[in-house]
Amino acid sequence: DAKTTQPPSMDCAEGRAANLPCNHSTISGNEYVYWYRQIHSQGPQYIIHGLKNNETNEMASLIITEDRKSSTLILPHATLRDTAVYYCIVRRNNAGNMLTFGGGTRLMVKP
Amino acid sequence: GAVVSQHPSRVICKSGTSVKIECRSLDFQATTMFWYRQFPKQSLMLMATSNEGSKATYEQGVEKDKFLINHASLTLSTLTVTSAHPEDSSFYICSARVNWNTEAFFGQGTRLTVV
Repeated sequence: DAKTTQPPSMDCAEGRAANLPCNHSTISGNEYVYWYRQIHSQGPQYIIHGLKNNETNEMASLIITEDRKSSTLILPHATLRDTAVYYCIVRRNNAGNMLTFGGGTRLMVKP
Repeated sequence: GAVVSQHPSRVICKSGTSVKIECRSLDFQATTMFWYRQFPKQSLMLMATSNEGSKATYEQGVEKDKFLINHASLTLSTLTVTSAHPEDSSFYICSARVNWNTEAFFGQGTRLTVV
């Protein structure tokens, strides 16, 4: 699976939008972009995923560039409970294909 | 979303003893489950892939005789840490997906401390 690059840490003010970037310049055509987050001492939580089109759900929006080499996860109104490590993962949706976690971005939402 | 439950959430054991961690998919059947380990301030590292009714597949460097995996049913996989040592102290997390083309769901993790 393609490797991803994320900034190690970011800060965001409470109530503002948090925009978390991810580079995946070696992504191939059949690989999806997944976002998970891990709040301290908990298991990862699925947020959103996409292939080509932008996606939105109740948690976040995912913006994928046209060349698919990068993406941005947007938390529209960050709260203190959104403080977590956010992982951007690229994978093929094959049977048995596991998720490979990189370093992620530690997002700190501040009052 | 689908629910994956791990038990226990925390366990302390003595060196040399064995500890079993259970991972259950509560509202779906999972033919494949994954076991991860996470040391402090590090990312999750895949240990093994657990397949229902067959032997688990271990990642390089993970001792299969030390980390015994059993996936006897479509809703339960167990990880047994045998002859535990303090360096086995870690956060163990399991994961499962409903189908191969859907997102994976994770258990809440098990904090193992070996004293």
